Amino acid sequence: EVQLLESGGGLVQPGGSVRLSCVVSGFTFSAYAMSWVRQGPGKGLEWVSAISAGGDRSEYADSVKGRFSVSRDNSKSTLYLQMDSLRAEDTAEYHCAKAQGDLRNGYINWFDPWGQGTLVTVSS
Amino acid sequence: VMTQSPATLSVSAGERATLSCRASQSVNYRLAWYQQKPGQAPRLLIHGASTRATGIPARFSGSGSGTEFTLTISSLQSEDFAVYSCQQYNNWPLTFGGGTKVEIK
Repeated sequence: EVQLLESGGGLVQPGGSVRLSCVVSGFTFSAYAMSWVRQGPGKGLEWVSAISAGGDRSEYADSVKGRFSVSRDNSKSTLYLQMDSLRAEDTAEYHCAKAQGDLRNGYINWFDPWGQGTLVTVSS
Repeated sequence: VMTQSPATLSVSAGERATLSCRASQSVNYRLAWYQQKPGQAPRLLIHGASTRATGIPARFSGSGSGTEFTLTISSLQSEDFAVYSCQQYNNWPLTFGGGTKVEIK
């Protein structure tokens, strides 16, 4: 059974940092690009970042570029999202997802499957 | 920008539901649809505008290309009441529509 389990969310002050993790099982993690997608309260889904299977290429939404950093440890089947300089508008449920596509060749397609998410609340 | 309409669709069980997704520029056929229920992970329904994902019932169908897309649920079942989102993957950044909530009439 494929499982993606996010953790690391919580209450963070504006300007603070947090690192999210996503532990994967049920498929060969090192063979697939991965992505983070978030959903703010009452809002639609927003793609945040993607990383290639080998971890050598990443892409970011403009809204998080320069503040967030995606990485992965293929030996631990774990995806990470380092979030710095957090703002109130970063408050959201953060989902990790397996990405169909090849980011090394410049494309990501759809996301399947997804984790249930971890909630990050940025507030003083 | 991906725009979905309507924001909320009230439908009775057994009826047909038609959801719309419009792109501000052509995305060719590079469009996916997802279903999301409260407290659950989004689930892929359709990719390539019209290809059902593995395990998705035949009552879900997708159509369209370019800038206009439709998700049709031919006969709504109780488990289909949820939020549906479209996503384009033709251009960076990848973008989602705001979602359509399908609720019980």
